[in-house]
Amino acid sequence: GAVVSQHPSRVICKSGTSVKIECRSLDFQATTMFWYRQFPKQSLMLMATSNEGSKATYEQGVEKDKFLINHASLTLSTLTVTSAHPEDSSFYICSARESLRTDTQYFGPGTRLTVL
Amino acid sequence: AQKITQTQPGMFVQEKEAVTLDCTYDTSDPSYGLFWYKQPSSGEMIFLIYQGSYDQQNATEGRYSLNFQKARKSANLVISASQLGDSAMYFCAMREGGTGGFKTIFGAGTRLFVKA
Repeated sequence: GAVVSQHPSRVICKSGTSVKIECRSLDFQATTMFWYRQFPKQSLMLMATSNEGSKATYEQGVEKDKFLINHASLTLSTLTVTSAHPEDSSFYICSARESLRTDTQYFGPGTRLTVL
Repeated sequence: AQKITQTQPGMFVQEKEAVTLDCTYDTSDPSYGLFWYKQPSSGEMIFLIYQGSYDQQNATEGRYSLNFQKARKSANLVISASQLGDSAMYFCAMREGGTGGFKTIFGAGTRLFVKA
């Protein structure tokens, strides 16, 4: 099946710094990518939907200035957590829609962010 | 309003027995898809099975089957012949067509414990 990668898999940063997480579709073009956040023992919460070449659509309650999403190409989307705080510590999962052949959504392996 | 409901926070099953994980959903969109994902402790989201709203027959994938009852808006996952490796979190998810914008939303999850 199609593969979606995320980098880094784990990151620890100091409070106040910014962290960028990359999501790549390795063998297909993803016109749409999604970013989810998952707190321990909870479900995945959709943060935003990004379409290549256009601005991301954020879910209610998600600060767009804090979670910057860039979907600059059909295979890459980035999520930047700006001025990170300990409460931003979470598991971030991206997913990419393969729309040409199977119209299936594939998930990345996730990035665990810890803000000290 | 919660669109995906999983009422079982945790379930126990004896190895080699079958288990049913419950899921109900709510949508007014006639076109939608229902998914089940498995999330082991590693965090990756593993796709298990898909049911389209217009599919006439219940989906099956190996030991997984989806008991789709459209009028009741339920999409229960049945795992037959449970194995120790089935112990994980299981999420039911729904993707709405049309105005849903293809985004997939998740239920709260059910943690399955398989006993030897």
